[in-house]
Amino acid sequence: QVQLQESGPGLVKPSETLSLTCNVSGGSMSSSAYYWGWIRQSPGKGLEWIGSIYYSGSTYYNPSLKSRVTISGDASHNQFSLKLNSVTAADTAVYYCARQPMTMVRGATRMNWFDPWGQGTLVTVSS
Amino acid sequence: EIVLTQSPGILSVSPGERATLSCRASQTMSGNYLSWYQQKPGQAPRLLIYDASSRATGIPDRFSGSGSGTDFTLTISGLEPEDFAVYYCQQYAASPYSFGQGTKLEIK
Repeated sequence: QVQLQESGPGLVKPSETLSLTCNVSGGSMSSSAYYWGWIRQSPGKGLEWIGSIYYSGSTYYNPSLKSRVTISGDASHNQFSLKLNSVTAADTAVYYCARQPMTMVRGATRMNWFDPWGQGTLVTVSS
Repeated sequence: EIVLTQSPGILSVSPGERATLSCRASQTMSGNYLSWYQQKPGQAPRLLIYDASSRATGIPDRFSGSGSGTDFTLTISGLEPEDFAVYYCQQYAASPYSFGQGTKLEIK
């Protein structure tokens, strides 16, 4: 079955860019049946959806983070990435990647629940 | 933005008993686009229920979801020791997709 694995630096300095990659195995990111998303979890804000990418390359972001986030896909390596710039201590969290099934509703695609999730990676923002 | 409020924050129940967890949305959600997740310490959330009442693959039938509109419920019947964890609801009716703050289910 499909498995997801996050990777990237565990420590990022304030004002710098957080960069993470999610490797997908056991399934193809090029499938039109799924979106691929990033979620983070911190003690202060709980679980927060960051954004998602569709196989076509279309991206969707949480407005609260949109000005600082970029999600991109690399189908040739079956992975997708997250960049969050100008980080502060408030961005310290466990970052998860996850798959989201796509359904068609009235001729438009929509993203749904998250399943499965990667194991998560802790990113600490500190100097 | 849809805000999800879960109650209670902590629920103490004995093994073998039934647990009822609530999730209330700040506005009516069409399509019952609500899911439930279980999270144990050090692990990622695991999908239990999607579309308010459909069990995910491999989830025991003691887990059931119900509700519509703004009020949703996760019921766990005949609690097993491995069921004690934190449970989250999540809405995918409208962006930004949001989660509740969680209910911790602890052993009484």
